[in-house]
Amino acid sequence: GAVVSQHPSRVICKSGTSVKIECRSLDFQATTMFWYRQFPKQSLMLMATSNEGSKATYEQGVEKDKFLINHASLTLSTLTVTSAHPEDSSFYICSALEETQYFGPGTRLLVL
Amino acid sequence: GQQLNQSPQSMFIQEGEDVSMNCTSSSIFNTWLWYKQDPGEGPVLLIALYKAGELTSNGRLTAQFGITRKDSFLNISASIPSDVGIYFCAGQYTGTASKLTFGTGTRLQVTL
Repeated sequence: GAVVSQHPSRVICKSGTSVKIECRSLDFQATTMFWYRQFPKQSLMLMATSNEGSKATYEQGVEKDKFLINHASLTLSTLTVTSAHPEDSSFYICSALEETQYFGPGTRLLVL
Repeated sequence: GQQLNQSPQSMFIQEGEDVSMNCTSSSIFNTWLWYKQDPGEGPVLLIALYKAGELTSNGRLTAQFGITRKDSFLNISASIPSDVGIYFCAGQYTGTASKLTFGTGTRLQVTL
């Protein structure tokens, strides 16, 4: 139980384009999901908390207009990186909350 | 954002040896969690601790929730090659909407 998936697993895009990453809880419903970013050899840094049916809560320093989060159902949250730039290249990981956080396998984004 | 300090930062050990790592914080937590992350994957929950002083085992892994609520340690007994990876501690405080604060990570490498 408590399986979380992410799609795509990796994506390469050109600078200036937008990229959407999906996070799904496969065998449970999650009112709350979280989005993290992890740079090479660093820890996970929380970007935002995604709440089903309401606006996401962003951590300090994270641009809400650049990282759009939509949590339209109890099993799906999406993160859209708008107008991506090379510095946005990173490993993006989501988690879904069921008593504790269960993490997805991550999405590696490379912006050229 | 805040990060928890983990030590050691990295360690090389031989197969069969026991491993100890710890995590310290300047603030208290109500829950301590230990995760393992393999390269290119999301973190996988190993052990969850919910009470100060609690000692919990999961196979060859044993973790303890420090009495001061500001630290935790993880032991791995009789290490095997598949123990290789990065181990993260994470703290959670009641009332923070289940947000986790992650440690800096301990990279474990096991030699035959």
